[in-house]
Amino acid sequence: DVKVTQSSRYLVKRTGEKVFLECVQDMDHENMFWYRQDPGLGLRLIYFSYDVKMKEKGDIPEGYSVSREKKERFSLILESASTNQTSMYLCASSFGAGNYGYTFGSGTRLTVV
Amino acid sequence: GENVEQHPSTLSVQEGDSAVIKCTYSDSASNYFPWYKQELGKGPQLIIDIRSNVGEKKDQRIAVTLNKTAKHFSLHITETQPEDSAVYFCAANSGYSTLTFGKGTMLLVSP
Repeated sequence: DVKVTQSSRYLVKRTGEKVFLECVQDMDHENMFWYRQDPGLGLRLIYFSYDVKMKEKGDIPEGYSVSREKKERFSLILESASTNQTSMYLCASSFGAGNYGYTFGSGTRLTVV
Repeated sequence: GENVEQHPSTLSVQEGDSAVIKCTYSDSASNYFPWYKQELGKGPQLIIDIRSNVGEKKDQRIAVTLNKTAKHFSLHITETQPEDSAVYFCAANSGYSTLTFGKGTMLLVSP
């Protein structure tokens, strides 16, 4: 069964900490994405990557960065966590250009205190 | 960029009834419209999708219709069952392989 695996289901971090969220896919997908999900706001795109070492800003990149050193792994980094970054974070992947079907991970619920 | 509006935000039906969720999009260049189902504690899962060269697509109890002229598409679930209870998201493609999502519809099917 193909999978997108997010390393943590729940995380609690303190304000100002540097936070790493990890995502791994085993489908040899070119594209990987990070979304955050908030009640009433739906899913909003933070960053995406269409190839190793490539990254593109989404709709809400402020306060975040990403890293993609290997094709199967895409990391989201909160440089200095703030309480307004408390959210559900969803990683997804898809095949290359022209195929848009996403496979999502189960999500990481991050609480910043 | 693309903007996707989804209605209603919540929908309650009795088991066996039909449910309809509607979405509109803004970018006439969009040509791919998927629907995702998110159960409690899980990530969204693709349940059906439609491309712009097709007006309707069915898969058992679910169907999606697309009206490109009006820029709206709808999800239809017939003979609803309690296990259909979930949050449903519509989406439209925008830019390079990215999707813009609606805000979601919480569907509750009562036995």
